[in-house]
Amino acid sequence: DTAVSQTPKYLVTQMGNDKSIKCEQNLGHDTMYWYKQDSKKFLKIMFSYNNKELIINETVPNRFSPKSPDKAHLNLHINSLELGDSAVYFCASSQGRKTGELFFGEGSRLTVL
Amino acid sequence: SQQGEEDPQALSIQEGENATMNCSYKTSINNLQWYRQNSGRGLVHLILIRSNEREKHSGRLRVTLDTSKKSSSLLITASRAADTASYFCATDASGSEKLVFGKGTKLTVNP
Repeated sequence: DTAVSQTPKYLVTQMGNDKSIKCEQNLGHDTMYWYKQDSKKFLKIMFSYNNKELIINETVPNRFSPKSPDKAHLNLHINSLELGDSAVYFCASSQGRKTGELFFGEGSRLTVL
Repeated sequence: SQQGEEDPQALSIQEGENATMNCSYKTSINNLQWYRQNSGRGLVHLILIRSNEREKHSGRLRVTLDTSKKSSSLLITASRAADTASYFCATDASGSEKLVFGKGTKLTVNP
């Protein structure tokens, strides 16, 4: 049973389209995150939710909208995709809101053409 | 910026040798963590060291932390080809709720 699962694993789309990535964790954790990893492997936090409440929003363009329907799910919707959005997006979870060990999903590779 | 910086950016060694990677950061921290990322995969947590600890071991891994120099090192002893991966340090600044990752060291262990 995968602890943190993301879908889809690969996403290829045209500029201007809207797309969503879904994430689910079965670890019973309270906090979930979205990170973006660029082509140089730099990993940057985007959002964090604790028990469905947004606690970190790292000045991400408002084309990116996270949604947490419950504490086990954190989805990422991206409007009007741009070339620069091409990256690998990682979902992660942790036990509490103070940062301990993060558990990562396998990533969703988004390619915008 | 709190971001850690790993050094070297890339390291290539022979199986059986030891690998040492360093991480420097800029602000006071609660803890420092090391993660491994195999190609095309997610990050996997290796070890966490708290700001009041100086050294920690886990199997073939040894981590040191020098808060006066704001630096940490990860030593992998008796490396194996399966250790080939990118290694990232991550820090959470005192009072912060986010974990900030460095740029990583790409380790290649040649059989």
